[in-house]
Amino acid sequence: GAGVSQSPSNKVTEKGKDVELRCDPISGHTALYWYRQSLGQGLEFLIYFQGNSAPDKSGLPSDRFSAERTGGSVSTLTIQRTQQEDSAVYLCASSFGQGPYGYTFGSGTRLTVV
Amino acid sequence: GQQVMQIPQYQHVQEGEDFTTYCNSSTTLSNIQWYKQRPGGHPVFLIQLVKSGEVKKQKRLTFQFGEAKKNSSLHITATQTTDVGTYFCAGLPSDQGGKLIFGQGTELSVKP
Repeated sequence: GAGVSQSPSNKVTEKGKDVELRCDPISGHTALYWYRQSLGQGLEFLIYFQGNSAPDKSGLPSDRFSAERTGGSVSTLTIQRTQQEDSAVYLCASSFGQGPYGYTFGSGTRLTVV
Repeated sequence: GQQVMQIPQYQHVQEGEDFTTYCNSSTTLSNIQWYKQRPGGHPVFLIQLVKSGEVKKQKRLTFQFGEAKKNSSLHITATQTTDVGTYFCAGLPSDQGGKLIFGQGTELSVKP
């Protein structure tokens, strides 16, 4: 597609429920990144994929967070048993690959846990 | 771990004043990138610097990459209200492939 597409754009969920966030990167971009941004804060790295592999999962905050990427394209970030501290904007970005390539970010999913 | 420190965290200027944000890395970078995030928006890629001592300009914006490839700056001349937002630097460490390391960002507000 023309840009990085994320869905849903907004999600309100009850504490304890599971949520799935989706990212559809730019066609041909082999690298895909997930970040989290709390209100007024910087970008917190979560995980990145090169193809379908995740060389760096170091940013996942706990084992409640997982992500997968299939077909070298769409990625899903799953948060199990959501907590209020999970409330944030989850941003996905893609690039041509590892190395000197700019990232294209999606518009994000605003997650609110009530 | 590897870090990219960015200062200041906030900057409030009068329209027409200049603005500068600075980035410092704990390790040598193979390149540095700059992004702008408008309020309520997502980060948008502005530019990439690769060479030691490189200077690039985009209209009123001037980007520099230090000689040691460990620091960078973004300078805006004669700010306008359209410059409002948060500016992030992001560096790619030389000793590994993989992900950019983002600075914490500088939030710029401009009083008309």
